[in-house]
Amino acid sequence: NAGVTQTPKFRVLKTGQSMTLLCAQDMNHEYMYWYRQDPGMGLRLIHYSVGEGTTAKGEVPDGYNVSRLKKQNFLLGLESAAPSQTSVYFCASSLRGNEQFFGPGTRLTVL
Amino acid sequence: DQQVKQNSPSLSVQEGRISILNCDYTNSMFDYFLWYKKYPAEGPTFLISISSIKDKNEDGRFTVFLNKSAKHLSLHIVPSQPGDSAVYFCAARDSGNTPLVFGKGTRLSVIA
Repeated sequence: NAGVTQTPKFRVLKTGQSMTLLCAQDMNHEYMYWYRQDPGMGLRLIHYSVGEGTTAKGEVPDGYNVSRLKKQNFLLGLESAAPSQTSVYFCASSLRGNEQFFGPGTRLTVL
Repeated sequence: DQQVKQNSPSLSVQEGRISILNCDYTNSMFDYFLWYKKYPAEGPTFLISISSIKDKNEDGRFTVFLNKSAKHLSLHIVPSQPGDSAVYFCAARDSGNTPLVFGKGTRLSVIA
């Protein structure tokens, strides 16, 4: 039982490049989330999903897109990376929207 | 506008003493509250939660208190241990389908 896993763990991009972050969970959870954590800002919700095939915007959705084609996977895409997107990204999942289980994070640097 | 506020960015406590972390919220529709603990280079992990129908929940050394009239909750750690040194996030949600709302966190340092 791996819980929530994130791929990759680290990534360096140049401004304008694109990339996709993958989140996978093996707990059969309905809800999945993408957060970013920046110094002094806490955890800010980017996008979330309440079930396979559904997505919704969070607090800071601009510059990101998501897809939930399979229940166990939640992808976060950056179409044209900007230095402001340098951050640590956390994925989380939950069964019914209460207690969330977090992945280990992806540290992204955009030069 | 921050709905969940942790006004102390950091807290230092001596080993063996009590640590008290505070959290205030503004949304009266919140009915479920959680505390998460985060070590460097790791994801947050769930610590303890409380429903709005209770005013206290205890789990070992950790106790969460909820004061609904003051829209305030606190996490007590007794006795504090060096391994408790981490960032603690308060989170809340309402009874709808909305995601958790997190505070900005408080960094606890337990000094041996």
